[in-house]
Amino acid sequence: AQRVTQPEKLLSVFKGAPVELKCNYSYSGSPELFWYVQYSRQRLQLLLRHISRESIKGFTADLNKGETSFHLKKPFAQEEDSAMYYCALSGSGSRLTFGEGTQLTVNP
Amino acid sequence: GAVVSQHPSRVICKSGTSVKIECRSLDFQATTMFWYRQFPKQSLMLMATSNEGSKATYEQGVEKDKFLINHASLTLSTLTVTSAHPEDSSFYICSARDDDRREFFGSGTRLTVV
Repeated sequence: AQRVTQPEKLLSVFKGAPVELKCNYSYSGSPELFWYVQYSRQRLQLLLRHISRESIKGFTADLNKGETSFHLKKPFAQEEDSAMYYCALSGSGSRLTFGEGTQLTVNP
Repeated sequence: GAVVSQHPSRVICKSGTSVKIECRSLDFQATTMFWYRQFPKQSLMLMATSNEGSKATYEQGVEKDKFLINHASLTLSTLTVTSAHPEDSSFYICSARDDDRREFFGSGTRLTVV
């Protein structure tokens, strides 16, 4: 079975502050991890995936297999980063399992 | 980037009638498409995996006779909610996977059964 846990439903930070959205997973094999973002009134869109090891909009995420985590980080949050963020896992069955999501609010 | 078009965005139907929702990949071919359901303030729950040219794979607890899925081409999958009832009212979202295993999402369909 595969499971994704995002412990924080709500996260509020001030503009310019660092932000970290936590994601832990449970999967017996080698997972593929993703972060998806949904801005207000927009569709869900891919933010980044662990195999790409890229930085999108200043966000990064490192897969830590020892801690089974894939936390999303940004050193300096911007107001336009306010959105709902979903961590997702794809296992051998190829289906995506989503976490419950974290609503990030960046205050001015 | 790749675009997935989902129609209609909103539909209201009477109890007992059927509703069809379309999901199209506009600029890429998708061998696999997915259908999700999202309840208010909750995450996306996978309902079924739609494979082109074959039967859909349904998640446990999802009635295949109520939620009919057809994936007739590499760019189109449809979800038909048959004999809809008020408890089927929800937000339905489709996604399509490209050759690089990235999933692109439709904008969703708000179904209200009255």
